[in-house]
Amino acid sequence: GNSVTQMEGPVTLSEEAFLTINCTYTATGYPSLFWYVQYPGEGLQLLLKATKADDKGSNKGFEATYRKETTSFHLEKGSVQVSDSAVYFCALSGNTGKLIFGQGTTLQVKP
Amino acid sequence: DTGVSQDPRHKITKRGQNVTFRCDPISEHNRLYWYRQTLGQGPEFLTYFQNEAQLEKSRLLSDRFSAERPKGSFSTLEIQRTEQGDSAMYLCASSPNAGKGNSPLHFGNGTRLTVT
Repeated sequence: GNSVTQMEGPVTLSEEAFLTINCTYTATGYPSLFWYVQYPGEGLQLLLKATKADDKGSNKGFEATYRKETTSFHLEKGSVQVSDSAVYFCALSGNTGKLIFGQGTTLQVKP
Repeated sequence: DTGVSQDPRHKITKRGQNVTFRCDPISEHNRLYWYRQTLGQGPEFLTYFQNEAQLEKSRLLSDRFSAERPKGSFSTLEIQRTEQGDSAMYLCASSPNAGKGNSPLHFGNGTRLTVT
């Protein structure tokens, strides 16, 4: 069945460091891929998405490219801020719109 | 757009009691989803509706769980004879487009259930 695997956290970085959170997936067909973010005390929010191979999703300085050949959708940001501290979830969806999530990666950014 | 609303925010109950949660999706969203999230894990799919029809149920949804969306608007999730293992955050989400997997889900803030 479909599944998503994320790198384990927590990830601890200093402010302005480069961020990569790895995400790989297993799916039949051509899923859409998403990154959601959960800030402390808040609900899940869509960060970015990509709907077909080689698409790049971007938002708030974060980027991820849909790589069909490596079944990956790694999240990157060139310079993280303390306010980026949150839990990040990679997810995929098929035709029904149902999302399948990875286990989440906690990011802590220190000043 | 007032967002997805869930009620209550927190529920503490004794083992063996029944609980019911409510979700109000974004208006005109025809798909509604329920998820469960435990500490340190990603959300796990439970069930979803398209309008009033329940189209899929996860194997996680034992016969103690039942969900309804009687008029295709708000939804309720009931857990009968609660067990300590039911303690989790229950999330509701909605999306606007039927049959399009690229429509993102909009999540509520969840109902946190604690079974003592």
